[in-house]
Amino acid sequence: AQKVTQAQTEISVVEKEDVTLDCVYETRDTTYYLFWYKQPPSGELVFLIRRNSFDEQNEISGRYSWNFQKSTSSFNFTITASQVVDSAVYFCALSKPGGYNKLIFGAGTRLAVHP
Amino acid sequence: DVKVTQSSRYLVKRTGEKVFLECVQDMDHENMFWYRQDPGLGLRLIYFSYDVKMKEKGDIPEGYSVSREKKERFSLILESASTNQTSMYLCASRQVAPRDTTNEKLFFGSGTQLSVL
Repeated sequence: AQKVTQAQTEISVVEKEDVTLDCVYETRDTTYYLFWYKQPPSGELVFLIRRNSFDEQNEISGRYSWNFQKSTSSFNFTITASQVVDSAVYFCALSKPGGYNKLIFGAGTRLAVHP
Repeated sequence: DVKVTQSSRYLVKRTGEKVFLECVQDMDHENMFWYRQDPGLGLRLIYFSYDVKMKEKGDIPEGYSVSREKKERFSLILESASTNQTSMYLCASRQVAPRDTTNEKLFFGSGTQLSVL
Protein backbone atom coordinates (compact mmCIF):
# COMPACT_ATOMS: atom_id res chain seq x y z
CA ALA A 1 0.00 0.00 0.00
CA GLN A 2 1.09 3.55 -0.60
CA LYS A 3 1.39 6.00 2.27
CA VAL A 4 2.79 9.46 2.85
CA THR A 5 3.71 10.69 6.32
CA GLN A 6 4.28 14.32 7.23
CA ALA A 7 5.10 14.12 10.90
CA GLN A 8 5.23 17.88 11.47
CA THR A 9 1.72 19.18 11.97
CA GLU A 10 2.65 22.81 12.46
CA ILE A 11 5.88 24.77 12.24
CA SER A 12 6.35 28.35 13.34
CA VAL A 13 9.42 30.38 12.35
CA VAL A 14 10.51 33.98 12.22
CA GLU A 15 11.12 35.60 8.87
CA LYS A 16 14.54 34.88 7.32
CA GLU A 17 14.94 31.59 9.15
CA ASP A 18 15.51 28.43 7.14
CA VAL A 19 12.90 25.71 7.58
CA THR A 20 12.69 22.08 6.47
CA LEU A 21 9.44 20.21 5.98
CA ASP A 22 9.76 16.45 6.25
CA CYS A 23 8.08 13.87 4.06
CA VAL A 24 8.45 10.10 4.35
CA TYR A 25 6.71 7.77 1.93
CA GLU A 26 5.96 4.08 1.56
CA THR A 27 5.45 2.25 -1.71
CA ARG A 28 6.21 -1.13 -3.26
CA ASP A 29 6.41 0.34 -6.74
CA THR A 30 9.79 0.79 -8.36
CA THR A 31 8.55 3.66 -10.48
CA TYR A 32 6.67 6.47 -8.84
CA TYR A 33 6.36 10.22 -8.60
CA LEU A 34 6.67 12.46 -5.58
CA PHE A 35 5.10 15.90 -5.39
CA TRP A 36 4.93 18.95 -3.18
CA TYR A 37 1.92 21.26 -3.21
CA LYS A 38 1.37 24.55 -1.42
CA GLN A 39 -2.06 25.60 -0.12
CA PRO A 40 -2.15 29.31 0.73
CA PRO A 41 -5.05 30.80 2.71
CA SER A 42 -7.01 31.23 -0.54
CA GLY A 43 -7.49 27.45 -0.53
CA GLU A 44 -6.27 26.45 -3.99
CA LEU A 45 -3.43 23.94 -3.96
CA VAL A 46 -0.52 25.03 -6.11
CA PHE A 47 1.94 22.60 -7.65
CA LEU A 48 5.56 23.13 -6.58
CA ILE A 49 7.54 20.16 -7.84
CA ARG A 50 7.39 16.63 -9.18
CA ARG A 51 10.26 14.18 -8.76
CA ASN A 52 10.60 10.89 -10.63
CA SER A 53 11.79 7.93 -8.57
CA PHE A 54 14.74 7.40 -10.91
CA ASP A 55 16.05 10.89 -10.42
CA GLU A 56 17.66 11.39 -7.03
CA GLN A 57 19.31 14.65 -7.83
CA ASN A 58 18.44 17.42 -5.45
CA GLU A 59 16.66 20.38 -6.95
CA ILE A 60 16.84 24.06 -6.17
CA SER A 61 14.39 26.70 -7.31
CA GLY A 62 15.13 30.10 -5.85
CA ARG A 63 14.67 29.86 -2.08
CA TYR A 64 13.15 26.38 -2.38
CA SER A 65 15.12 23.16 -2.43
CA TRP A 66 14.20 19.50 -2.31
CA ASN A 67 16.22 16.58 -0.99
CA PHE A 68 15.13 13.17 -2.35
CA GLN A 69 16.72 10.13 -0.69
CA LYS A 70 15.45 6.71 -1.74
CA SER A 71 17.54 5.01 0.94
CA THR A 72 15.42 6.62 3.64
CA SER A 73 12.24 7.02 1.54
CA SER A 74 12.24 10.73 2.18
CA PHE A 75 11.52 13.78 0.07
CA ASN A 76 12.17 16.80 2.26
CA PHE A 77 11.49 20.40 1.35
CA THR A 78 13.61 23.31 2.57
CA ILE A 79 12.75 26.98 2.39
CA THR A 80 15.75 29.24 2.78
CA ALA A 81 15.35 32.72 4.24
CA SER A 82 11.63 32.24 4.80
CA GLN A 83 9.18 35.05 4.13
CA VAL A 84 5.70 35.81 5.41
CA VAL A 85 4.29 34.87 1.98
CA ASP A 86 5.55 31.34 2.55
CA SER A 87 2.90 30.88 5.24
CA ALA A 88 0.67 28.08 3.99
CA VAL A 89 -0.12 24.41 4.36
CA TYR A 90 2.31 22.22 2.45
CA PHE A 91 1.39 18.77 1.19
CA CYS A 92 3.65 15.98 0.05
CA ALA A 93 2.09 13.44 -2.33
CA LEU A 94 2.92 10.17 -4.06
CA SER A 95 1.62 8.53 -7.22
CA LYS A 96 2.36 5.92 -9.82
CA PRO A 97 2.91 7.24 -13.35
CA GLY A 98 0.08 7.12 -15.81
CA GLY A 99 -3.22 8.81 -16.32
CA TYR A 100 -5.23 6.31 -14.30
CA ASN A 101 -3.33 6.65 -11.09
CA LYS A 102 -4.34 8.76 -8.15
CA LEU A 103 -2.28 10.92 -5.86
CA ILE A 104 -1.90 9.91 -2.23
CA PHE A 105 -1.44 12.93 0.01
CA GLY A 106 0.16 13.34 3.40
CA ALA A 107 -1.68 15.10 6.20
CA GLY A 108 0.07 18.39 5.47
CA THR A 109 2.32 20.70 7.45
CA ARG A 110 1.08 24.16 8.36
CA LEU A 111 3.93 26.67 8.18
CA ALA A 112 3.57 30.04 9.87
CA VAL A 113 6.24 32.63 9.13
CA HIS A 114 6.14 35.60 11.48
CA PRO A 115 7.62 39.02 10.72
CA ASP B 1 -3.70 29.26 -17.41
CA VAL B 2 -5.75 26.24 -16.46
CA LYS B 3 -8.74 27.13 -14.38
CA VAL B 4 -10.74 24.83 -12.17
CA THR B 5 -13.84 26.49 -10.84
CA GLN B 6 -15.95 25.28 -7.95
CA SER B 7 -19.40 26.80 -7.87
CA SER B 8 -19.51 27.73 -4.19
CA ARG B 9 -16.84 28.78 -1.71
CA TYR B 10 -19.06 28.24 1.33
CA LEU B 11 -22.19 26.14 1.64
CA VAL B 12 -24.46 25.43 4.60
CA LYS B 13 -26.93 22.56 4.39
CA ARG B 14 -29.17 20.64 6.75
CA THR B 15 -28.93 16.97 7.63
CA GLY B 16 -30.78 14.85 5.10
CA GLU B 17 -30.61 17.36 2.26
CA LYS B 18 -29.35 16.35 -1.16
CA VAL B 19 -26.27 18.41 -1.97
CA PHE B 20 -24.62 19.06 -5.31
CA LEU B 21 -21.06 20.35 -5.55
CA GLU B 22 -20.11 21.47 -9.02
CA CYS B 23 -16.70 21.66 -10.62
CA VAL B 24 -15.79 22.95 -14.08
CA GLN B 25 -12.39 22.93 -15.80
CA ASP B 26 -11.51 24.79 -18.97
CA MET B 27 -8.50 22.88 -20.30
CA ASP B 28 -10.07 19.79 -21.83
CA HIS B 29 -8.51 17.52 -19.20
CA GLU B 30 -9.53 13.87 -19.21
CA ASN B 31 -9.10 13.18 -15.50
CA MET B 32 -11.07 14.86 -12.75
CA PHE B 33 -11.01 14.23 -9.01
CA TRP B 34 -12.93 15.00 -5.84
CA TYR B 35 -11.03 15.14 -2.55
CA ARG B 36 -12.10 16.09 0.91
CA GLN B 37 -9.69 17.82 3.25
CA ASP B 38 -9.90 17.40 7.00
CA PRO B 39 -7.45 18.61 9.66
CA GLY B 40 -4.84 16.01 10.46
CA LEU B 41 -5.98 13.74 7.63
CA GLY B 42 -4.79 15.66 4.60
CA LEU B 43 -6.60 15.13 1.31
CA ARG B 44 -8.53 11.93 0.83
CA LEU B 45 -9.84 10.84 -2.55
CA ILE B 46 -13.61 10.39 -2.79
CA TYR B 47 -14.10 9.66 -6.50
CA PHE B 48 -12.29 10.23 -9.73
CA SER B 49 -13.21 10.13 -13.38
CA TYR B 50 -10.99 8.99 -16.24
CA ASP B 51 -13.18 10.54 -18.88
CA VAL B 52 -16.77 11.38 -19.69
CA LYS B 53 -19.25 8.96 -18.10
CA MET B 54 -16.39 7.04 -16.50
CA LYS B 55 -15.90 7.03 -12.75
CA GLU B 56 -14.08 5.09 -10.12
CA LYS B 57 -14.33 5.01 -6.34
CA GLY B 58 -11.54 6.51 -4.35
CA ASP B 59 -10.67 5.76 -0.75
CA ILE B 60 -13.79 7.14 0.94
CA PRO B 61 -16.76 6.92 -1.48
CA GLU B 62 -19.42 6.02 1.08
CA GLY B 63 -22.25 8.54 1.17
CA TYR B 64 -21.19 10.15 -2.12
CA SER B 65 -21.88 9.72 -5.81
CA VAL B 66 -20.60 11.57 -8.87
CA SER B 67 -21.69 12.55 -12.33
CA ARG B 68 -19.59 13.33 -15.41
CA GLU B 69 -21.90 13.92 -18.36
CA LYS B 70 -19.61 16.44 -20.03
CA LYS B 71 -15.84 16.49 -20.13
CA GLU B 72 -15.50 19.85 -18.44
CA ARG B 73 -17.89 19.22 -15.53
CA PHE B 74 -17.60 16.83 -12.60
CA SER B 75 -20.30 16.90 -9.95
CA LEU B 76 -20.14 15.48 -6.45
CA ILE B 77 -23.47 14.48 -4.93
CA LEU B 78 -24.29 13.91 -1.29
CA GLU B 79 -27.52 11.94 -1.48
CA SER B 80 -28.48 12.62 2.14
CA ALA B 81 -26.07 14.96 3.86
CA SER B 82 -24.85 14.07 7.33
CA THR B 83 -22.89 16.06 9.89
CA ASN B 84 -19.78 13.91 9.36
CA GLN B 85 -19.66 15.20 5.80
CA THR B 86 -18.86 18.69 7.04
CA SER B 87 -15.52 19.32 5.36
CA MET B 88 -13.56 21.19 2.72
CA TYR B 89 -14.14 19.67 -0.70
CA LEU B 90 -11.51 20.12 -3.40
CA CYS B 91 -11.91 19.39 -7.08
CA ALA B 92 -8.92 18.81 -9.36
CA SER B 93 -8.23 17.99 -12.98
CA ARG B 94 -5.30 16.51 -14.86
CA GLN B 95 -4.26 15.90 -18.45
CA VAL B 96 -3.45 12.30 -19.31
CA ALA B 97 0.16 11.42 -20.19
CA PRO B 98 1.86 11.26 -22.66
CA ARG B 99 0.10 14.36 -23.99
CA ASP B 100 0.53 15.91 -20.58
CA THR B 101 3.16 18.59 -20.79
CA THR B 102 2.72 19.60 -17.19
CA ASN B 103 4.29 16.50 -15.68
CA GLU B 104 1.05 14.95 -14.50
CA LYS B 105 0.35 17.63 -11.97
CA LEU B 106 -3.13 18.26 -10.70
CA PHE B 107 -4.82 21.61 -11.04
CA PHE B 108 -7.05 22.42 -8.11
CA GLY B 109 -10.07 24.59 -7.52
CA SER B 110 -10.28 26.87 -4.49
CA GLY B 111 -12.47 24.46 -2.58
CA THR B 112 -15.97 24.41 -1.13
CA GLN B 113 -16.29 24.54 2.63
CA LEU B 114 -19.45 22.57 3.36
CA SER B 115 -21.14 22.72 6.73
CA VAL B 116 -23.93 20.25 7.46
CA LEU B 117 -26.06 21.25 10.43
